[in-house]
Amino acid sequence: NAGVTQTPKFQVLKTGQSMTLQCAQDMNHEYMSWYRQDPGMGLRLIHYSVGAGITDQGEVPNGYNVSRSTTEDFPLRLLSAAPSQTSVYFCASSGRDRPGEQYFGPGTRLTVT
Amino acid sequence: KNQVEQSPQSLIILEGKNCTLQCNYTVSPFSNLRWYKQDTGRGPVSLTIMTFSENTKSNRRYTATLDADTKQSSLHITASQLSDSASYICVIPRRSGGYQKVTFGTGTKLQVIP
Repeated sequence: NAGVTQTPKFQVLKTGQSMTLQCAQDMNHEYMSWYRQDPGMGLRLIHYSVGAGITDQGEVPNGYNVSRSTTEDFPLRLLSAAPSQTSVYFCASSGRDRPGEQYFGPGTRLTVT
Repeated sequence: KNQVEQSPQSLIILEGKNCTLQCNYTVSPFSNLRWYKQDTGRGPVSLTIMTFSENTKSNRRYTATLDADTKQSSLHITASQLSDSASYICVIPRRSGGYQKVTFGTGTKLQVIP
């Protein structure tokens, strides 16, 4: 199993550009989440999904969109990048039987100039 | 407000020494607590889970404790190794509708030096 994979690993954007961060898992997990991690702060939930076709907002959803057309994939879209979105983004997944045991991807380091 | 506070923020110890990391929480209702290890440049990995009824649990050189009355948990690392250098994050899940969200602590950054 590859676990949770994320691409790209690094990305630099200019203000106003849009892009999609990719996330995939091969563990057949129902739950998937996107977090951002900033220096001195804990991981913060952006969006999450409890299954294909079902998504909901986390605590910091503004400026981001998600969709879940399949169980495996959960892409995160930045609509119009802003410097405040410079961060490290982590995707995580967990199974319905152990929802608190999250498996994290390696992260995407995004810089917006 | 649901919060998880960790101390110290950072710690430097000599290889072979022991250390203890602290986690205080106000998350309610409480069912369990997890400790994660996050190596630099990588995603967090679960180390151990403490349920409401457990006081102590050991996993190799890691020993986690939980006091649900005082809402405190600790992670004790014995005979530290260079590979223990990482951030250690205390995480507490909470039910929010049909989904179990989690509250993350800000972590303790541990550096083990030779």
